[in-house]
Amino acid sequence: AQKITQTQPGMFVQEKEAVTLDCTYDTSDPSYGLFWYKQPSSGEMIFLIYQGSYDQQNATEGRYSLNFQKARKSANLVISASQLGDSAMYFCAMREYSGGGADGLTFGKGTHLIIQP
Amino acid sequence: ETGVTQSPTHLIKTRGQQVTLRCSSQSGHNTVSWYQQALGQGPQFIFQYYREEENGRGNFPPRFSGLQFPNYSSELNVNALELDDSALYLCASSLQGSGANVLTFGAGSRLTVL
Repeated sequence: AQKITQTQPGMFVQEKEAVTLDCTYDTSDPSYGLFWYKQPSSGEMIFLIYQGSYDQQNATEGRYSLNFQKARKSANLVISASQLGDSAMYFCAMREYSGGGADGLTFGKGTHLIIQP
Repeated sequence: ETGVTQSPTHLIKTRGQQVTLRCSSQSGHNTVSWYQQALGQGPQFIFQYYREEENGRGNFPPRFSGLQFPNYSSELNVNALELDDSALYLCASSLQGSGANVLTFGAGSRLTVL
């Protein structure tokens, strides 16, 4: 079974609009972290935002916020006021911590976001 | 602070050959991990090194091996290359014990196996 599911292979959004990228996850570990990374065409994965399973508040980092709904196992990324430079692949990922966290990140298949002028 | 650097950026090998990819960790990081990203897919975890020992491994065969050096740089070695090994190989470093353990990635080495 997939641990991270991203159901939007591609999205087109008008510049300056807000965009929500969907992510659902599956784990039985009570201690886990959820990450969003951006991958431009250059290939480098750029860290955007992190949410821990015990965090009470939704994480925010500048224009990025994470809509964390624990009961639904959902961790959607919200980008406010989108810019042309936001065009990239976006990956949701999870790390389970109860085993020491050495099992790496599990990534979804990604969403290709294209911002249109 | 310097980020994660990887070399080479691109390389072409033939089936059955061996390849070594190199990675320099971000300054201050003590853990390095490697990921394989096939075209159109998300990265898959290969293994992680901490204190020069492999302390985590994904679902990859033993022909994928690695090293971590005292300066926290790392190598990924792949023996007996197969066509399916063609992918972008990403190195990431982090600071073990830093809470969230956020990974900082390099730009990757793109391997083509013919």
